Amino acid sequence: QVQLQESGPGLVKPSQTLSLTCNVSGGSISSGSYYWSWIRQPAGKGLEWIGRIYTSGSTNYNPSLKSRVAISVDTSKNQVSLNLRFVTAADTAVYYCARNPCSGGSCQSGMDVWGQGTTVTVSS
Amino acid sequence: DIQMTQSPSSLSASVGDRVTITCRASQSISTYLNWYQQKPGKAPKLLIYVASSLQSGAPSRFSGSGSGTDFTLTISCLQPEDFATYYCQQSYSTPRTFGQGTKVEIK
Repeated sequence: QVQLQESGPGLVKPSQTLSLTCNVSGGSISSGSYYWSWIRQPAGKGLEWIGRIYTSGSTNYNPSLKSRVAISVDTSKNQVSLNLRFVTAADTAVYYCARNPCSGGSCQSGMDVWGQGTTVTVSS
Repeated sequence: DIQMTQSPSSLSASVGDRVTITCRASQSISTYLNWYQQKPGKAPKLLIYVASSLQSGAPSRFSGSGSGTDFTLTISCLQPEDFATYYCQQSYSTPRTFGQGTKVEIK
């Protein structure tokens, strides 16, 4: 079955860019109809949706992060990427990627496959 | 953004208890409401989607109901492996938003 694995630097300096990759295995990222989402969770806190990208490349972002975030897909590598610019300590969190299946034009059935998450700390 | 409010924030229960968690949306979201379970150090796991559909592999003791603004997650007979934090999430519009979580602890 499909598995997701996040990777990237565990430590990022303030004002720099956080770059993470979600590797998709067990299936082609471009087959089927899916949104690929990024979600984050500060230690001891709740879940925050960052944004998502459709297989075609169409994106939606959380307005609270929209000016700093970019999500892209590389079908040749079967990967989804997250870039978050000008990070601060408030961006310290566990970052998850997740799959959101679409069926019959509806993509509202929840995120059914999640990566294990990767911890990112923003500190000098 | 649609605000999601869960209650209670935490609860203590015993194995075998029936547990109900509620989630309220700040506006009508039809039935576009999902429930996740998260254990410490693990990723969330989808339990219920579109308010009442049981995700494949999720135990049948979990059930969901509701529409509009008010939703519930029920665990019919609490098992030891159910002690976790539960989140609701609306999928009516973007940005997707989550409730603050309900931690189910052992009594």
